[in-house]
Amino acid sequence: DVKVTQSSRYLVKRTGEKVFLECVQDMDHENMFWYRQDPGLGLRLIYFSYDVKMKEKGDIPEGYSVSREKKERFSLILESASTNQTSMYLCASSLLLAGVGEQFFGPGTRLTVL
Amino acid sequence: DAKTTQPNSMESNEEEPVHLPCNHSTISGTDYIHWYRQLPSQGPEYVIHGLTSNVNNRMASLAIAEDRKSSTLILHRATLRDAAVYYCILRDSRGQGAQKLVFGQGTRLTINP
Repeated sequence: DVKVTQSSRYLVKRTGEKVFLECVQDMDHENMFWYRQDPGLGLRLIYFSYDVKMKEKGDIPEGYSVSREKKERFSLILESASTNQTSMYLCASSLLLAGVGEQFFGPGTRLTVL
Repeated sequence: DAKTTQPNSMESNEEEPVHLPCNHSTISGTDYIHWYRQLPSQGPEYVIHGLTSNVNNRMASLAIAEDRKSSTLILHRATLRDAAVYYCILRDSRGQGAQKLVFGQGTRLTINP
């Protein structure tokens, strides 16, 4: 079975801190994604990557950066966390198949910024 | 991205079939229709996808209208574990955008015992 793991289920940080969210997948998938999920707004794509060292902005990249140094690992970085970044963060991965590749999601990290 | 329209919520009884509708009147010829669901406190999971023909798998069936402007996800015999938010998503088969999923609000399905 494909497994997507995220470094923490719950995280509490202070405003201004640098925050790293880590995601690892074990199925050699080319694509990896970071979403955030908020009540009433649904899931929104922050960044995605289709290869090592490649990244593409999603719909809401402001305030975030990403790193993909190895194929299996995709990191989301909040350079200076703010309270409006309190959210559920979901990582996903998929094969590079146009239009049809199933995305596999991790369990999510609930981040609270105080 | 072409949009989909789903009811906000639906309710059904255990062991009965459930038909979840989705309208996508602006669908293009290269768009696939994908369904995902999200169980409470979990990430979304893939359910099924199709292009033009009806599709079946172990989880559900997908019925696609002949003009492709609507589709229906069918759970043949709902269980309490099927209670989730169901998302209908159109996915372009072309270019880098083909790798993305754009989630709407979905339909919250409640299953009564």
